[in-house]
Parts: sequence; structure tokens; C-alpha cells
Amino acid sequence: DTEVTQTPKHLVMGMTNKKSLKCEQHMGHRAMYWYKQKAKKPPELMFVYSYEKLSINESVPSRFSPECPNSSLLNLHLHALQPEDSALYLCASSQEELDNEQFFGPGTRLTVL
Amino acid sequence: LAKTTQPISMDSYEGQEVNITCSHNNIATNDYITWYQQFPSQGPRFIIQGYKTKVTNEVASLFIPADRKSSTLSLPRVSLSDTAVYYCLVRFSGGYNKLIFGAGTRLAVHP
Repeated sequence: DTEVTQTPKHLVMGMTNKKSLKCEQHMGHRAMYWYKQKAKKPPELMFVYSYEKLSINESVPSRFSPECPNSSLLNLHLHALQPEDSALYLCASSQEELDNEQFFGPGTRLTVL
Repeated sequence: LAKTTQPISMDSYEGQEVNITCSHNNIATNDYITWYQQFPSQGPRFIIQGYKTKVTNEVASLFIPADRKSSTLSLPRVSLSDTAVYYCLVRFSGGYNKLIFGAGTRLAVHP
């Protein structure tokens, strides 16, 4: 299984809502990532987990809270988001941290009203 | 300053060879240069990676000159389904241990 799955595919939320994005991989990869991608821009790294521990936080606002419950799962908890946070949120995994070959999920299209 | 440069867009026709170049100064000495393909509303997909000279797989070739200040992705005989955005991915040296995607090149393949 070489697939990274993400749920939901689409999410619309108000600025006072709390929601979570979920990501799952069963490739035995030890590193998992969250990226944010705005329209017509490249993916921007947000967080890196390595062996289930947060390794890199790219100065992401605290309204985004990552969680890695186990080696196959990665969550991104959202609270009090702003309209400018609307974007495609991509999850990825790789064998080890910051490997060049990463496997990406299809993303969650988030709209903040 | 860590920076990559790619053409914003390219047009081609079915059956032609397409070459997309990414310029990248100050990249890590001992690291791969990687290319990804992305279709609308999908995550990027790994195409190829190389360290130096030339690498070829079933879908593309990658040419890297000795100075490693650039890399060229070559797509032989493109088809309509190759219409996508292509990103180079590099790691910069100087303690800036982060992988950075280039801005991306939008390739449009026409019949």
C-alpha cells in the first residue's frame, strides 16, 4: 500500500469553529508532514513529525495544532482560523525525516468563512 | 539567499520532448535534486531524483551539470496527460536544513 489518505476532502468552517484534519499511511514511514498550499503556489512546510515526535514547526500560528497519535496517523487540529488560512492542506510521509522522496495525500481543501 | 528559479509556464504539443530547468544556488553538497508533478486538486507526485550527471527512469530523465547550480527535467514525447505543474525540490546548504519547493512550472500540452 503506497497511499496516503486524507479526510475530509473538503471542509468549510467559520472562524469560531474547531475542526480536525486527518491523515493516514500504512507504508511504515517514520516521518510525516503537514504542508499548506495556496492557489498557484508551491507547498509550504508547516510541521514535521519523526518517529511520532514533533521535529520541525515552521513558526506556524498556534491556531494550528498537530498531533501524531501513532506511527500511521497524523492529525491537524484547527481552531479560530482566519479567512487567509483557506488553502489546500497536504499530508505527506517518507521513510525518514526530510527525505527527498515524499508520498503526498490528495489534500483537504479548507475554506474559512 | 536560498532561492530556486523555474519558468512560470511552458507550452508544448503532443509527441514533443519538453525540458524544464530549475536554477538553484547554494544547495547542499551531498543531497539529491528531486522533481515532482502535481495535477489540480491532487498532492504532488514524485517523478525522479538525482545527485549528478544524468538519471533516467521510465517517465523522465534528469540532467545535472557538474556545478549543480541547475537541473533539467526532460519529458520525452509528452501527451495531454502530462499537462500539470512541475516542481523542483532541493535542500539548501549553510545550516538552512530545509527542503524547499521551487515556484513550479505550469506545462500545457496541446493536441
